[in-house]
Amino acid sequence: GAGVSQSPSNKVTEKGKDVELRCDPISGHTALYWYRQSLGQGLEFLIYFQGNSAPDKSGLPSDRFSAERTGGSVSTLTIQRTQQEDSAVYLCASSLTGVATDTQYFGPGTRLTVL
Amino acid sequence: DQQVKQNSPSLSVQEGRISILNCDYTNSMFDYFLWYKKYPAEGPTFLISISSIKDKNEDGRFTVFLNKSAKHLSLHIVPSQPGDSAVYFCAATFFGNEKLTFGTGTRLTIIP
Repeated sequence: GAGVSQSPSNKVTEKGKDVELRCDPISGHTALYWYRQSLGQGLEFLIYFQGNSAPDKSGLPSDRFSAERTGGSVSTLTIQRTQQEDSAVYLCASSLTGVATDTQYFGPGTRLTVL
Repeated sequence: DQQVKQNSPSLSVQEGRISILNCDYTNSMFDYFLWYKKYPAEGPTFLISISSIKDKNEDGRFTVFLNKSAKHLSLHIVPSQPGDSAVYFCAATFFGNEKLTFGTGTRLTIIP
């Protein structure tokens, strides 16, 4: 079946603009995660959605970052007033149940460049 | 505060030999550990995992060893193949905590 897909694959924007990144998880997966990888860094957790529960937003670096998941499926990560330090690869992952031992399947990522 | 550390940014190994990738962690709460493999322009893919109740888990050419007292784990690949050339990430979590904490990755290059 289809894996996790993300769009766009690349996004170049100017400092101060807003951007939206999209993630389509694997069908039937109840858990969805956003991570980002800055240059030379590991993957950094941003936010986690599980079913209808309130999302775990503990990894969001500032209030310029927000995410939503509509209908328990597609998710959008929004970054307002982008800064150069937001430049990174943003990765989405989904898992079947969301428990710690459940395999997370990653999309190919969106490379964001803020000029 | 880097809770999961991969101190070797890169490693080169001759084809057919053993590749050993290392990972250290600081958070004593971690009790489940994973290795992911990443090719360029692709997302990471799950490779192998180990629970803290074990000290070894094997899957084909891949074996993960866990030393809880040293807070250290390693991934052994034997024999190494050219298709193993990728970036390898170590990750950790604990039961009840759904998010993964990743290391910075080790780029493995297999020399034919």
